Amino acid sequence: EAGVTQFPSHSVIEKGQTVTLRCDPISGHDNLYWYRRVMGKEIKFLLHFVKESKQDESGMPNNRFLAERTGGTYSTLKVQPAELEDSGVYFCASSPKLPGRSTDTQYFGPGTRLTVL
Amino acid sequence: AQSVSQHNHHVILSEAASLELGCNYSYGGTVNLFWYVQYPGQHLQLLLKYFSGDPLVKGIKGFEAEFIKSKFSFNLRKPSVQWSDTAEYFCAVIPYSGGYQKVTFGTGTKLQVIP
Repeated sequence: EAGVTQFPSHSVIEKGQTVTLRCDPISGHDNLYWYRRVMGKEIKFLLHFVKESKQDESGMPNNRFLAERTGGTYSTLKVQPAELEDSGVYFCASSPKLPGRSTDTQYFGPGTRLTVL
Repeated sequence: AQSVSQHNHHVILSEAASLELGCNYSYGGTVNLFWYVQYPGQHLQLLLKYFSGDPLVKGIKGFEAEFIKSKFSFNLRKPSVQWSDTAEYFCAVIPYSGGYQKVTFGTGTKLQVIP
């Protein structure tokens, strides 16, 4: 079974540019999550999709960040325009929907390391 | 809002030494607890988890963790570490909320095992 994949693995852009990160969850996983880790800090929740709907986007830093999950499969996270403080590692995770279970294990992708110069 | 504290940011041990990494959380209700590990150059992966039942949880590679509800703690242990355990370890908490999952992670502990 293929795991969660993310593209690109690294991205270096200049302040003011736009970057789009992609996440392909494990096939069949309804739940998709985005997280970010700024260097030396904790991994912070950004948002959660259930299929194509945003369940919770309370962790999104500001309106420069836009996440989509068209068709409930892969997801994109766009940062426009990028600022210096957006640098960090962006993780994606997915989990299946288990009827009757309130929670489940999340499977993480390798992350995208974003550097904004 | 809940928070997770990992008090040791960087731990250096010799091979065969015993390991205990601390994790404390602040949330008054029922929680699900996790330890994740990220080996150099690899994905974040699940080491072990606690949902309910026996508070002593065994995970992969000889790791175990004990949930002590009265102390709001979920410390990770291994009796004898190996060089291959060099990695970063993250404690994580999900409040039991009847269907919705929002993970709170600790800041991570970097473990370096010296051969």
